[in-house]
Amino acid sequence: QMQLQESGPGLVKPSETLSLTCTVSGGSISRSSYYWGWIRQPPGKGLEWIGSIYYSGITYYNPSLKSRLTISVDTSKNQFSLKLSSVTAADTAVYYCARHVRYGDNSRFDSWGQGTLLTVSS
Amino acid sequence: QSVLTQPPSVSGAPGQRVTISCTGSSSNIGAGYDVHWYQQLPGTAPRFLIYGNTNRPSGVPDRFSGSKSGTSATLAITGLQAEDEADYYCQSYDSSLSGYVVFGGGTKLTVL
Repeated sequence: QMQLQESGPGLVKPSETLSLTCTVSGGSISRSSYYWGWIRQPPGKGLEWIGSIYYSGITYYNPSLKSRLTISVDTSKNQFSLKLSSVTAADTAVYYCARHVRYGDNSRFDSWGQGTLLTVSS
Repeated sequence: QSVLTQPPSVSGAPGQRVTISCTGSSSNIGAGYDVHWYQQLPGTAPRFLIYGNTNRPSGVPDRFSGSKSGTSATLAITGLQAEDEADYYCQSYDSSLSGYVVFGGGTKLTVL
């Protein structure tokens, strides 16, 4: 049973860089069938896809966040990470990591972490 | 404003059938891209519910079903149960500048 677990600071100051890590257990992040993605959910609001990464380092990002976003992977630790720069209160959200199945242009998220709340505040 | 439009809320009594719509456009659902559905119980992470428009992952009861036609998709829940009370999200791919992976705004299902 694959499990994903997010970890992060919980609180970040405005204008700083948000950093989160997702640790995957129960399977290898290097399995060629999957991408690994980040999705966020502001309090009381809906889901927003942030971006995804393949084990080889290939990334694709939400265009609305691309200028501030870096997603990386560490296959030796079975982890992938998110960095979002110049954060504001609008970046306050629960951040989820998920296994991202891509087939052609289609994609779905079939396994999710429990989520971690990231608050941007001074 | 979400690329995929869902009603903010629906409700039904136990045992009834409810449907949740997900309306897109010619750059996403109407272009033939698959629609997937997720269930989010209060205070929990989303759960993968329906994939490829009509398919259920292992462990999802057959009370849940999906369909797609034109630029819309529908999630149907029959034999409504109290534990079905949750938020439901549709998701697809969008070929415009919206960002590849798009979610609906979510629908709150209340079991009366």
